[in-house]
Amino acid sequence: DADVTQTPRNRITKTGKRIMLECSQTKGHDRMYWYRQDPGLGLRLIYYSFDVKDINKGEISDGYSVSRQAQAKFSLSLESAIPNQTALYFCATSTGSNYGYTFGSGTRLTVV
Amino acid sequence: QKEVEQDPGPLSVPEGAIVSLNCTYSNSAFQYFMWYRQYSRKGPELLMYTYSSGNKEDGRFTAQVDKSSKYISLFIRDSQPSDSATYLCAMSAPSGAGSYQLTFGKGTKLSVIP
Repeated sequence: DADVTQTPRNRITKTGKRIMLECSQTKGHDRMYWYRQDPGLGLRLIYYSFDVKDINKGEISDGYSVSRQAQAKFSLSLESAIPNQTALYFCATSTGSNYGYTFGSGTRLTVV
Repeated sequence: QKEVEQDPGPLSVPEGAIVSLNCTYSNSAFQYFMWYRQYSRKGPELLMYTYSSGNKEDGRFTAQVDKSSKYISLFIRDSQPSDSATYLCAMSAPSGAGSYQLTFGKGTKLSVIP
């Protein structure tokens, strides 16, 4: 099994719908992150969490919310999806050391 | 000016060529320098990391850091079609309480043609 598992792998949803992307990890890492990746814009940080009780906004948190249900689970929600949220979403984990994020395989989200 | 600049390419080379990928940065607080490789429809995976200025070699890959010029490079020797991927540079700086935060370049898409 993968160290960082994201579900679903692909999702098409309609404008205005609520959608949740899920991430679970077996690395035992305390820190978890949500990024989105867009062509020409690279990886942009949405939210991050250093432990279950710690949630922090990244550079593009508007329109998103997160929940850290357990050390191993970190979910990202789009309360009311809009087309410009169409992107590839990645979950990542780390120990908080100076390098070495472990990424999931991503969720390709399309909002129509 | 963005903290990390990386030419997005795309870069296309024949099999066996030497590939040079580069990033520049502006933040002097960056201490650790990494290269990630991302295959199509996969997440980025850590390829190499280095701390000090100089070279670090791992098989066909060499990472080079020049802190005085704020410039890092990744060289791939004897490039193979399996090296075709997007390569992202990343750098980390202390962000308080003994932790580090990563800043990524936008990635360079490399194609190695058989």
